Amino acid sequence: DADVTQTPRNRITKTGKRIMLECSQTKGHDRMYWYRQDPGLGLRLIYYSFDVKDINKGEISDGYSVSRQAQAKFSLSLESAIPNQTALYFCATSDPGLAGGVSYNEQFFGPGTRLTVL
Amino acid sequence: QKEVEQDPGPLSVPEGAIVSLNCTYSNSAFQYFMWYRQYSRKGPELLMYTYSSGNKEDGRFTAQVDKSSKYISLFIRDSQPSDSATYLCASRLGSARQLTFGSGTQLTVLP
Repeated sequence: DADVTQTPRNRITKTGKRIMLECSQTKGHDRMYWYRQDPGLGLRLIYYSFDVKDINKGEISDGYSVSRQAQAKFSLSLESAIPNQTALYFCATSDPGLAGGVSYNEQFFGPGTRLTVL
Repeated sequence: QKEVEQDPGPLSVPEGAIVSLNCTYSNSAFQYFMWYRQYSRKGPELLMYTYSSGNKEDGRFTAQVDKSSKYISLFIRDSQPSDSATYLCASRLGSARQLTFGSGTQLTVLP
């Protein structure tokens, strides 16, 4: 079974609709992230959470909200979807592990959700 | 200007070639440098990471960081068709809670 799962994998919706993307992880990590990926722009951070009570805005949080329901679950909502939110969305988790004394904070990504807003 | 710039390619090479992928960054305080590999229709996965300057080698892959020129490189020796993917560089500050990614370079290794 995958360590980081995202549902749905694909979604087509209309402008103005409310959409929720869900992420679950079995890695036991406290840190979770939501990114969007667009051609030519790479991965951009939307929100991140370092524990259930810690929610932080990323680079592009406008138009999005999140909910950290439990250590293992982190949901992303688009309150009123618009066409320029059409993108590939990734959830990721990390653990501030140490390797050789260095905290590299490797991030583990889910398979992505392809969202199309018409 | 993005903090981490990466040539998007696409880059196409014959099997067995040496591949050089590069990024530049603008924030001299970045301390951690990573390369992620992303296969089509998959999420990125960590390939290599380095702390501060220097080289790190892992099999056919070598990651290099030159902090004086703010240059990050990934070299792939004896490239294989299975190396065909998008490669993303990423950096972060020592105290930062988040990564800054480049836009990714799409690589195709032709058999």
